[in-house]
Amino acid sequence: DIQMTQSPSTLSASVGDRVTITCRASQTISDWLAWYQQKPGKAPKLLIYKASSLESGVPLRFSGGGYGTEFTLTISSLQPDDFAIYSCQQYNSYSLTFGQGTKVEIK
Amino acid sequence: QVQLQESGPGLVKPSETLSLTCTVSGGSISSYYWSWIRQPPGKGLEWIGYIYYSGSTNYNPSLKSRVTISVDTSKNQVSLKLSSVTAADTAMYYCARGLGTSVTPFDSWGQGTLVTVSS
Repeated sequence: DIQMTQSPSTLSASVGDRVTITCRASQTISDWLAWYQQKPGKAPKLLIYKASSLESGVPLRFSGGGYGTEFTLTISSLQPDDFAIYSCQQYNSYSLTFGQGTKVEIK
Repeated sequence: QVQLQESGPGLVKPSETLSLTCTVSGGSISSYYWSWIRQPPGKGLEWIGYIYYSGSTNYNPSLKSRVTISVDTSKNQVSLKLSSVTAADTAMYYCARGLGTSVTPFDSWGQGTLVTVSS
């Protein structure tokens, strides 16, 4: 299986901050990477697919980048609604795997 | 807008078989891939497997020996069976739809159903 490692595990930030979350793959996955947002008691919500494509309806302050083994999710100006857990997912192989998640909390 | 709803027993005894159903409404089950994904309390997401509406499947190698996913297009339902469960199978179980004609990523999710394995 391809292992996905996110950093940091927890990120403390304030409204208006620019935040970046990193996801590293244990082997190259091209740009077959998605990002999800999950709030307490809710199902994950797709934000980004193919590393940098914004899902319909997702605010433009979210952006994704990277290729190969290192990827980033950036929130350009953190809003109150953005405090949540963010998870990456690779789909380069037929055995799909997720990162362990990064919690973005209020500083 | 498509909606997914998981259903099934919330409590399963160790060594028994976990059985869940995902009912799809507001859209057809045809022409899409449907996955089951689980999340143990306080932990990350784990993909269990997927099925195409035609019936072809692919499972997580770590669960493959215990998992069966099936589809009933007449009822717009996808089902999951996980045999020989242990406490490690306690989790929130989600069904999800692949984006467009792809297996993944997952653009629609059910609300999830919590399954506890305990005697």
